[in-house]
Amino acid sequence: EIVLTQSPGTLSLSPGERATLSCRASQSVSSSYLAWYQQKPGQAPRLLIYGASSRATGIPDRFSGSGSGTDFTLTISRLEPEDFAVYYCQQYGSSPPTWTFGQGTKVEIK
Amino acid sequence: EVQLVESGGGLVQPGGSLRLSCAASGFTFSSYAMSWVRQAPGKGLEWVSAISGSGGSTYYADSVKGRFTISRDNSKNTLYLQMNSLRAEDTAVYYCAKRRLGGIAVAGPQDYWGQGTLVTVSS
Repeated sequence: EIVLTQSPGTLSLSPGERATLSCRASQSVSSSYLAWYQQKPGQAPRLLIYGASSRATGIPDRFSGSGSGTDFTLTISRLEPEDFAVYYCQQYGSSPPTWTFGQGTKVEIK
Repeated sequence: EVQLVESGGGLVQPGGSLRLSCAASGFTFSSYAMSWVRQAPGKGLEWVSAISGSGGSTYYADSVKGRFTISRDNSKNTLYLQMNSLRAEDTAVYYCAKRRLGGIAVAGPQDYWGQGTLVTVSS
């Protein structure tokens, strides 16, 4: 079973700053099978990035994903007030289909 | 507009059963694999189960295998999760979620999620 470890646990930043979130896998993950989600309190998760670097429909271009192998990154170029939330990475396997989430990174207002 | 609306959550005693439903609209339901994902209070996301568009293939997390059963009724555009032998650690908000791409594959990210239904297992 692949374990995803996200860091840091909490990121304290101001609006307008750049946020860099890390997701490290316990073994190599196909880039095609890595996604990022945003979740705000009391809301369902929202798909941001799939295939490690492709933005989902309607996602602003300040969100970008990168990485390969065991190290993946979500970058928010300039934080907007609505971006303060918890972010999860997700890995999905296909044989058989399974999904694993990281423990989350909270981006909070400094 | 894609909509997923879960129902059926509530308070149940340990060892009890509950059936969750997820009513889908705004897309061709039978063309998409669906999943259940849960979130314990104050915790992260945990995938629970998934089902192919036809319903012919089902998958479970080890934590629920043998206790939970996923199914779907494509004529009613509804996804189900039958939960038996419930434990305190099953307490969570349960989300249904749609696979981003249609087709016969099941694996892949989920692009639409319901608002969730809370299941509380307690005596």
